[in-house]
Amino acid sequence: DTGVSQDPRHKITKRGQNVTFRCDPISEHNRLYWYRQTLGQGPEFLTYFQNEAQLEKSRLLSDRFSAERPKGSFSTLEIQRTEQGDSAMYLCASSPNGLAGETQYFGPGTRLLVL
Amino acid sequence: GNSVTQMEGPVTLSEEAFLTINCTYTATGYPSLFWYVQYPGEGLQLLLKATKADDKGSNKGFEATYRKETTSFHLEKGSVQVSDSAVYFCALESGGGNKLTFGTGTQLKVEL
Repeated sequence: DTGVSQDPRHKITKRGQNVTFRCDPISEHNRLYWYRQTLGQGPEFLTYFQNEAQLEKSRLLSDRFSAERPKGSFSTLEIQRTEQGDSAMYLCASSPNGLAGETQYFGPGTRLLVL
Repeated sequence: GNSVTQMEGPVTLSEEAFLTINCTYTATGYPSLFWYVQYPGEGLQLLLKATKADDKGSNKGFEATYRKETTSFHLEKGSVQVSDSAVYFCALESGGGNKLTFGTGTQLKVEL
């Protein structure tokens, strides 16, 4: 069990560029979540998948954001036309089945800086 | 909607002091409650959890009891160590999707 991994760990981009982040959950975990954390705040929910199905998106997730989990394993989060307000830590978490009370295991995050 | 309120930091303590970090919540239904910890340079990791009223979660000397009557889940440790220095997040899970709602985090600094 290697834990949740995220790539890249850091990304610096210019405003208006597109960026894509990848998350590899723990093997055989069916549930995958994306959160965003800004400085001095707790993580905020963005979206989640059960296997390959995206079941909920937060209102925080504007039309510029899209997430996929094509084969029910790894997931990607793409931000189009980045804005300075998108600068944050993007966290991925996975859990076995998404049952109530189940532990979510977090990756190290991708820190995005938009110049 | 769901929300979590936790005491602001930073909290600075001497080694072997008693620690309390307050956490209260607002939620519909019967949430599960969690404490996550983020050590410097590391990702979030679960510290402890409780899934129903009056349950006590415990780990590494830390404890928290799920109090439905006061909607609280305060984190305690009898004797902190320098290695406990970290940011502590209280969180609840409720509703569809079992997504987590986090507090703003409390930074703990333990000095010799």
